[in-house]
Amino acid sequence: AQTVTQSQPEMSVQEAETVTLSCTYDTSENNYYLFWYKQPPSRQMILVIRQEAYKQQNATENRFSVNFQKAAKSFSLKISDSQLGDTAMYFCAFMKLGSNDYKLSFGAGTTVTVRA
Amino acid sequence: DADVTQTPRNRITKTGKRIMLECSQTKGHDRMYWYRQDPGLGLRLIYYSFDVKDINKGEISDGYSVSRQAQAKFSLSLESAIPNQTALYFCATSEGGLKEQYFGPGTRLTVT
Repeated sequence: AQTVTQSQPEMSVQEAETVTLSCTYDTSENNYYLFWYKQPPSRQMILVIRQEAYKQQNATENRFSVNFQKAAKSFSLKISDSQLGDTAMYFCAFMKLGSNDYKLSFGAGTTVTVRA
Repeated sequence: DADVTQTPRNRITKTGKRIMLECSQTKGHDRMYWYRQDPGLGLRLIYYSFDVKDINKGEISDGYSVSRQAQAKFSLSLESAIPNQTALYFCATSEGGLKEQYFGPGTRLTVT
């Protein structure tokens, strides 16, 4: 399994401010996808954003954007204009392509608390 | 209605008991997965299946077994539950061309 590291167990941010979550991964693969999943207190896993490794342009989804640095094997998530509903655990995940099984390797997660 | 469902949502059982967790999907996806989530460890893959005839072990399959009864159903069994199998269990599905996985609501299992 690939190694995915999220070095920040917990983060706190004031409502309307910006927070950045870090993720690094270890792989010798060249073709892969990276994901950020959100898990609110309801515990449902929700896909936030996806990045294809072959794309140089960073993915964005509304207030969520990533900074993908392929050479550095880094994939950070920026949440802009934080809202109370963003309070959740966030997981970074790696998917190797080519094997056809599309297994996900997850990091340990970062708990984000948005303060009113 | 949810596309991926899991039953039960919560379960408390005793050490040594056999327990089955069930997953059903209406998405028509061919691939199904079972993960377990533990604090500080994220989600780890237990088993996955490409179709009813193809079952594969994940990184932590010891103590678990699975059955793919139909394309839409994938069950996880603990033959003799032990306390360190206390965790949150997720089923997920994917379709080959889509790459991303869709998760069920999870089953919280407590083994006492």
